[in-house]
Amino acid sequence: QKEVEQNSGPLSVPEGAIASLNCTYSDRGSQSFFWYRQYSGKSPELIMSIYSNGDKEDGRFTAQLNKASQYVSLLIRDSQPSDSATYLCAVKRTAGGGNKLTFGTGTQLKVEL
Amino acid sequence: DAGVTQSPTHLIKTRGQQVTLRCSPKSGHDTVSWYQQALGQGPQFIFQYYEEEERQRGNFPDRFSGHQFPNYSSELNVNALLLGDSALYLCASSPGLAKNIQYFGAGTRLSVL
Repeated sequence: QKEVEQNSGPLSVPEGAIASLNCTYSDRGSQSFFWYRQYSGKSPELIMSIYSNGDKEDGRFTAQLNKASQYVSLLIRDSQPSDSATYLCAVKRTAGGGNKLTFGTGTQLKVEL
Repeated sequence: DAGVTQSPTHLIKTRGQQVTLRCSPKSGHDTVSWYQQALGQGPQFIFQYYEEEERQRGNFPDRFSGHQFPNYSSELNVNALLLGDSALYLCASSPGLAKNIQYFGAGTRLSVL
């Protein structure tokens, strides 16, 4: 079982729709969760972080965390063509020091006109 | 305020050669982590440096080594290059060993022929 799992996609949504991206993780000691966006050939860019159960909203983005189910998701409202990218889910186990991030393989999102 | 800078941007080497990649962290950051991202995969943690010492290491062979300088900049060295070392090498910095947010540089694209 992979430590962080994501559906590789591609996930295709029409412009203006809600895109829903999902991620599961295996380490129950994980305490910090992140969503990075990566355009083709570019480096990852942090778009959301979440540390406690529930929802966290920032503009068009909402991150949702359920530690009991070991599940984290990202919702993108009013999807735009510029949102087309690969979305990487990353988790971190804070206990024990260090801040190693463990990434999933990413979900490719395509927003169609 | 300069972000995380990496050099060179692209590099072509042949099998068996050695390579050195460089990273300057974001201003105010003292912790540097290195990741390897193969095509179609998420970044994989190589190691992390803080106070000029390697603090945490991922599942990479000893051919991968690093260094951190007093000004917090860092180098990644790879010896005896293999074809499988071809990847995007990413440097990330954070303001402290336990701080959550990591910011990535643009990366170095290494091709091993």
